[in-house]
Amino acid sequence: AQTVTQSQPEMSVQEAETVTLSCTYDTSENNYYLFWYKQPPSRQMILVIRQEAYKQQNATENRFSVNFQKAAKSFSLKISDSQLGDTAMYFCAFMKHGVNTGTASKLTFGTGTRLQVTL
Amino acid sequence: GAVVSQHPSRVICKSGTSVKIECRSLDFQATTMFWYRQFPKQSLMLMATSNEGSKATYEQGVEKDKFLINHASLTLSTLTVTSAHPEDSSFYICSVWTRGYTQYFGPGTRLTVL
Repeated sequence: AQTVTQSQPEMSVQEAETVTLSCTYDTSENNYYLFWYKQPPSRQMILVIRQEAYKQQNATENRFSVNFQKAAKSFSLKISDSQLGDTAMYFCAFMKHGVNTGTASKLTFGTGTRLQVTL
Repeated sequence: GAVVSQHPSRVICKSGTSVKIECRSLDFQATTMFWYRQFPKQSLMLMATSNEGSKATYEQGVEKDKFLINHASLTLSTLTVTSAHPEDSSFYICSVWTRGYTQYFGPGTRLTVL
């Protein structure tokens, strides 16, 4: 079974600054996907960024980037130029590749990190 | 725009009644959907996997007779909370799995059982 650990229950960052959220995971799988989802006060889960384990290059999406260390089983999220709208709960999640291509797989979530962006 | 919708967004019911929550995939053919439950300030807990045209697969500890799931088409899955009780009050979220190995989530339904 897979586990996802987010060791920072809460973090705070000033507007325009950079913050890094930590995530580690444990799995015996070799082929999998990692995600960061954002849940703002509206509670809508929003996909922030996605990483395929077979890709060595770290994923980036505008101000969001990850540091994926496969050997260390670490997947941190860096938010640059933080904005007030980044205030949310951030969940790290793991999905293993299906047995066959196209086979659905479920997500395993971490406990989340509450990020507060301040003026 | 939204790719997954849920209806209703909020529902209040009396103890003992049944409540149906709909999850619609707007942009994808959803052969597989997932249903989650989220308590305040906690993570999402997977309840069941909903497969189009077949029976749902429930996670350990989730009562299948309590939480009925029907996935009769490629765009709609429903979750019915039968004989709801106050302890069933929670935030219920569905997601659609895509062949790109990504899940897209609905906006959630807040259920309050009095």
